[in-house]
Amino acid sequence: DADVTQTPRNRITKTGKRIMLECSQTKGHDRMYWYRQDPGLGLRLIYYSFDVKDINKGEISDGYSVSRQAQAKFSLSLESAIPNQTALYFCATSDFAASGSNEQFFGPGTRLTVL
Amino acid sequence: AQSVTQPDIHITVSEGASLELRCNYSYGATPYLFWYVQSPGQGLQLLLKYFSGDTLVQGIKGFEAEFKRSQSSFNLRKPSVHWSDAAEYFCAVGSTNTGNQFYFGTGTSLTVIP
Repeated sequence: DADVTQTPRNRITKTGKRIMLECSQTKGHDRMYWYRQDPGLGLRLIYYSFDVKDINKGEISDGYSVSRQAQAKFSLSLESAIPNQTALYFCATSDFAASGSNEQFFGPGTRLTVL
Repeated sequence: AQSVTQPDIHITVSEGASLELRCNYSYGATPYLFWYVQSPGQGLQLLLKYFSGDTLVQGIKGFEAEFKRSQSSFNLRKPSVHWSDAAEYFCAVGSTNTGNQFYFGTGTSLTVIP
């Protein structure tokens, strides 16, 4: 069973639509992250959460919002999708509380296309 | 500011040849260093990591990396490349600081030719 799951795996939507990407983890990790990957740009951090009540903006948070519904769930929303948000989105977790490390464990990714 | 540089966007090697992927970092504190691999259409898998101690670390799939503090480098090596190693490789830096994030390089794409 996958430790970090993302739904949906693929999504095509239209400009202006609201869309939510969901991430769940069974690893018991305290920290969760959302990244987007674009060709030639690597992974860029959108938002991160150190616990349910601690949410922080990353490098490219404009146009996105997040919700940490529980320790195991971290959702990413695009309130009004635009074509340049077409990308591969990754959720990740880390077990800082136990390990003292930000080593990232990744989900399989969600490929989002905004037409 | 913290940053990670992978100077090679794309590398092509012959199967059986040796491989070295470069990674340089800029970081104010003692870094935690990582190499991840992303196969086509897949997520990111950890190859190896350096936290402290021996500066030469061994990873999965026959990869190793050497931490050189004086050069701010953490280069990834493999003595004999297999066709299945064709993938995108990302270097990353993190820390023990609770306020810090995790920084990725822009990646190196590896092509393996027969």
